[in-house]
Amino acid sequence: ETGVTQTPRHLVMGMTNKKSLKCEQHLGHNAMYWYKQSAKKPLELMFVYSLEERVENNSVPSRFSPECPNSSHLFLHLHTLQPEDSALYLCASSQDWGTIYNEQFFGPGTRLTVL
Amino acid sequence: ILNVEQSPQSLHVQEGDSTNFTCSFPSSNFYALHWYRWETAKSPEALFVMTLNGDEKKKGRISATLNTKEGYSYLYIKGSQPEDSATYLCAFPADYGGATNKLIFGTGTLLAVQP
Repeated sequence: ETGVTQTPRHLVMGMTNKKSLKCEQHLGHNAMYWYKQSAKKPLELMFVYSLEERVENNSVPSRFSPECPNSSHLFLHLHTLQPEDSALYLCASSQDWGTIYNEQFFGPGTRLTVL
Repeated sequence: ILNVEQSPQSLHVQEGDSTNFTCSFPSSNFYALHWYRWETAKSPEALFVMTLNGDEKKKGRISATLNTKEGYSYLYIKGSQPEDSATYLCAFPADYGGATNKLIFGTGTLLAVQP
C-alpha cells in the first residue's frame, strides 16, 4: 500500500454523464497530482495542487475539472467526455511541490471507459 | 521539447538471468532522475531518485547508475525473479532549475521474467 487510495477503480460512462474520481492520501503530503495514462503513451501530467492551490494545469480541456477541498483529498470532475478520454487516471502525492528531489506516491488508478 | 527515452521497450528473460535497461535524458542542466516500478494492476512505486553524476543506488537485487555528462542511467536487476515482472519508468524534471516536482516520464521498459 502506498498510502494513496482512489475510487472508483473502474468507471464506465456515457458522453453526456457527469461523474467524479476521488483520491485520498494518508501521508501528510502537501502536493497532489492527476495523471492520465493512455495506451502506449507516457504518463501525462494533468493538474497539480500544492497546499490546496492549483499550481499546474497542463492544457487540459475544460471537460475535466479538478477540486482540492483539503490537503488530503483530490477530485477530478468529469463532464461531457469523449471516447478518446478513455484511459487510466492516476492520482499521486509528494511531500512538497517546490523540489524535484521528492518521490511521488501513486494510487492504483481509475480505469475510465467513455462510451 | 524535453525527451526522455527508454530502451528497450520490452524485455523477456528467464528466471535467474541478470538484465539491464537504459534511460536517456538531456545532459545539460541536470538536477535529478527518478526511477519507478509499476506492476500490473498496482500503483507505480518509487525505486530511486538519482542526483549525482556517478551515483549508484541499490535496493535488494535492483541497482541504478547515473551518467549526467552523457545523459543516461542504467537500471540493473541481478538474478531476475518472476516478481520483478513490471514496467520500469524513468522520469526527468520538466521545469528548468528543478524548481518544481513536475516530471516528464518515459514510456517505460516492460520486463517479463519467465519462471
